[in-house]
Amino acid sequence: EAGVTQSPTHLIKTRGQQATLRCSPISGHTSVYWYQQALGLGLQFLLWYDEGEERNRGNFPPRFSGRQFPNYSSELNVNALELEDSALYLCASSSDRVPGQPQHFGDGTRLSIL
Amino acid sequence: AQTVTQSQPEMSVQEAETVTLSCTYDTSENNYYLFWYKQPPSRQMILVIRQEAYKQQNATENRFSVNFQKAAKSFSLKISDSQLGDTAMYFCAFMKPGGGSNYKLTFGKGTLLTVNP
Repeated sequence: EAGVTQSPTHLIKTRGQQATLRCSPISGHTSVYWYQQALGLGLQFLLWYDEGEERNRGNFPPRFSGRQFPNYSSELNVNALELEDSALYLCASSSDRVPGQPQHFGDGTRLSIL
Repeated sequence: AQTVTQSQPEMSVQEAETVTLSCTYDTSENNYYLFWYKQPPSRQMILVIRQEAYKQQNATENRFSVNFQKAAKSFSLKISDSQLGDTAMYFCAFMKPGGGSNYKLTFGKGTLLTVNP
């Protein structure tokens, strides 16, 4: 069974540009989560999508947005990139039909802002 | 809001020995879920162990076990017979009991464990 896949592996952008990160969940998982892992800040929850809808978002500005497609894959978009957006962005998926199910993570996308 | 604290930024252990990683959390919930994840240098986050707060029995997975002290809000991870492949960043994480917008994980800052030969 394929795990959570993320693309691209590494993304280099400059300030003010826009970045799009992609995630495919494990087959059968309907929920996708995005986390930001920035140096010194640990892992912070960004967004949660389930059944095509945004269910919850963390304490991030509106220029962080995303969507979930009918096949449950997801995109994270970051507009007007700032230097502090440089981080590893992790996507996770789970089946939320039963509470407390563990989330399974992808390898991440390393976003570097120059 | 829930908080998770890992007070040991770095630890080291000799191969084949036992090590315990600490985690404390703060919540007003009575039921919730706790997790330990490891992130090796290759960076994929892997689930190590899961504990349901309403279960008094400590979870175990092969060489990994937890000491869950609900009253003290403590959730430590014990790794027995440490192996070189256990070298990784270990994250403690909390999840609310579910429903609505509660399925996000709240992570501690992590403990970098190095297993020495």
